[in-house]
Amino acid sequence: EAQVTQNPRYLITVTGKKLTVTCSQNMNHEYMSWYRQDPGLGLRQIYYSMNVEVTDKGDVPEGYKVSRKEKRNFPLILESPSPNQTSLYFCASSLFWDRETEAFFGQGTRLTVV
Amino acid sequence: DQQVKQNSPSLSVQEGRISILNCDYTNSMFDYFLWYKKYPAEGPTFLISISSIKDKNEDGRFTVFLNKSAKHLSLHIVPSQPGDSAVYFCAASMVGKYIFGTGTRLKVLA
Repeated sequence: EAQVTQNPRYLITVTGKKLTVTCSQNMNHEYMSWYRQDPGLGLRQIYYSMNVEVTDKGDVPEGYKVSRKEKRNFPLILESPSPNQTSLYFCASSLFWDRETEAFFGQGTRLTVV
Repeated sequence: DQQVKQNSPSLSVQEGRISILNCDYTNSMFDYFLWYKKYPAEGPTFLISISSIKDKNEDGRFTVFLNKSAKHLSLHIVPSQPGDSAVYFCAASMVGKYIFGTGTRLKVLA
């Protein structure tokens, strides 16, 4: 089954404790991206990756890191989480960025930083 | 400054009637525009997209219209069904970057 898998689905952590949210897709997609969803702000792009070893900042990259060492995985790293990073996070992938192709989204990761 | 705006936070429509969801954007460099539907506790799912060189794209009950001079796009759902009740996001893309609107909650009344 074609899917984007995020782990964990729920996470409560403390300020400053490094964490990684994993994202994996099984569709051989070139493009992957991370978003956060906050009430009243919609979805905002954090980072994206056009292909392996190619990543770039989205609208809200501060406090996040990503890596794309292999095509299927695109982890989101919070080196020192803060309470303002409490949010619902989505990973997405699509075949290419520059075509009218649909993006597949993961189920989301609800992160709470206390 | 928000580059993609959905000014209506919510919309209610009777089953069988047309639903029209609107989206405005400010950046004329966007390549593609997309609509996504989101149910609670799920990730967004793709609905329909349109290239900036077109003015209309149709897929079944869903049609997206793009008015470049007005920097406006709209999603028409005809006929609306109760299962269409969800939050709808419009998005604009430019060289890999995606900007989403804040969403419109559609409620289709049976």
